[in-house]
Amino acid sequence: DGGITQSPKYLFRKEGQNVTLSCEQNLNHDAMYWYRQDPGQGLRLIYYSQIVNDFQKGDIAEGYSVSREKKESFPLTVTSAQKNPTAFYLCASSIQSAYGDEQFFGPGTRLTVL
Amino acid sequence: GENVEQHPSTLSVQEGDSAVIKCTYSDSASNYFPWYKQELGKRPQLIIDIRSNVGEKKDQRIAVTLNKTAKHFSLHITETQPEDSAVYFCAASRTGGSQGNLIFGKGTKLSVKP
Repeated sequence: DGGITQSPKYLFRKEGQNVTLSCEQNLNHDAMYWYRQDPGQGLRLIYYSQIVNDFQKGDIAEGYSVSREKKESFPLTVTSAQKNPTAFYLCASSIQSAYGDEQFFGPGTRLTVL
Repeated sequence: GENVEQHPSTLSVQEGDSAVIKCTYSDSASNYFPWYKQELGKRPQLIIDIRSNVGEKKDQRIAVTLNKTAKHFSLHITETQPEDSAVYFCAASRTGGSQGNLIFGKGTKLSVKP
């Protein structure tokens, strides 16, 4: 079954905890992305990676960290420095081409701070 | 950087009527414009996209138009059905490298009443 997967589907975090969201793809895509979705705010880019061992900050990177050690995997850590982490997190991947790239999204992780 | 504005934020139509969602963008170098549909609690999925070398593209009941001079593009859904009810996002990007990152509008919640 090809595609992009995220785990867990639901995640609860206590104040002061770091948590890691998993994102895996078997589409052989070079680029991967993390978005945060809040009601009425659309999708805001947290981090993106165009190639293994390289990643760049997006518009709202503060309080988050990522790694890209393998082409298939792009985990996101929500650190205790992120003061308002409750949101729906979406991972995406795309082929890097010169023609404009469809992004394929994972099913998302809903993070709630207790 | 690019800024994408989307209107309206909510849209209610009767089944069988047409629905139109409009987006404007700020970066005249943007050349790829996808539209995503997101059902409640699900992942966004691409429904149609258009590149700057064409002015209109159609796929069954869905069409997108692009006016590069005015820097706006629109989604048209004809003969709406209850299953068209969802949140629709427009996006814009340049092609290639980090410039290929999609900038999303804030979304339009479409409700189709039977």
